[in-house]
Amino acid sequence: LAKTTQPISMDSYEGQEVNITCSHNNIATNDYITWYQQFPSQGPRFIIQGYKTKVTNEVASLFIPADRKSSTLSLPRVSLSDTAVYYCLVGALRNKLIFGAGTRLAVHP
Amino acid sequence: NAGVTQTPKFRVLKTGQSMTLLCAQDMNHEYMYWYRQDPGMGLRLIHYSVGEGTTAKGEVPDGYNVSRLKKQNFLLGLESAAPSQTSVYFCASSRHTEGGGGTEAFFGQGTRLTVV
Repeated sequence: LAKTTQPISMDSYEGQEVNITCSHNNIATNDYITWYQQFPSQGPRFIIQGYKTKVTNEVASLFIPADRKSSTLSLPRVSLSDTAVYYCLVGALRNKLIFGAGTRLAVHP
Repeated sequence: NAGVTQTPKFRVLKTGQSMTLLCAQDMNHEYMYWYRQDPGMGLRLIHYSVGEGTTAKGEVPDGYNVSRLKKQNFLLGLESAAPSQTSVYFCASSRHTEGGGGTEAFFGQGTRLTVV
């Protein structure tokens, strides 16, 4: 499975746009890129998934460049409730679903 | 629709005791996973299953055993609990897709286990 690298932590303020970038240099042809969100004392929750270019849903956008060696999760106009840990996963679910350390996002008033 | 349900939610064990954690999903998913999460850390995969009757080792399988006798259930066993197994345990499930990728995993609410 492709190894991922993402910042350990980020800080933001309410109303700002937050972009979290994940590097995955060894991504394979069949690999999808998936982002999860985890609040304290809860299990992770699926946010968004993509294969190439741009994907948008009601929660976030995911930008994937042509070489697919990185991806950026974009959270528009964050609020205090977006404070959480965000995980980037790369790889087919048929194999092991491996989480990294994630990015701790703190949103301040 | 309950999704993924873990039993129990909390448990305190003495060193050397055994116990079984139950994970049940009602989404007819083929894949199921067990993770542990230590304070301030990410999730680490213990064991997983790609279908009824199958299991495979994850990143940290030592000290744990699993069984998937029914498609909807995935059991995690601790034969002789140790303080190092104090953690929060999460179960997850996902469906199979052709090509292996492209679906989301659903997680349970977690089991907080303390071994004293």
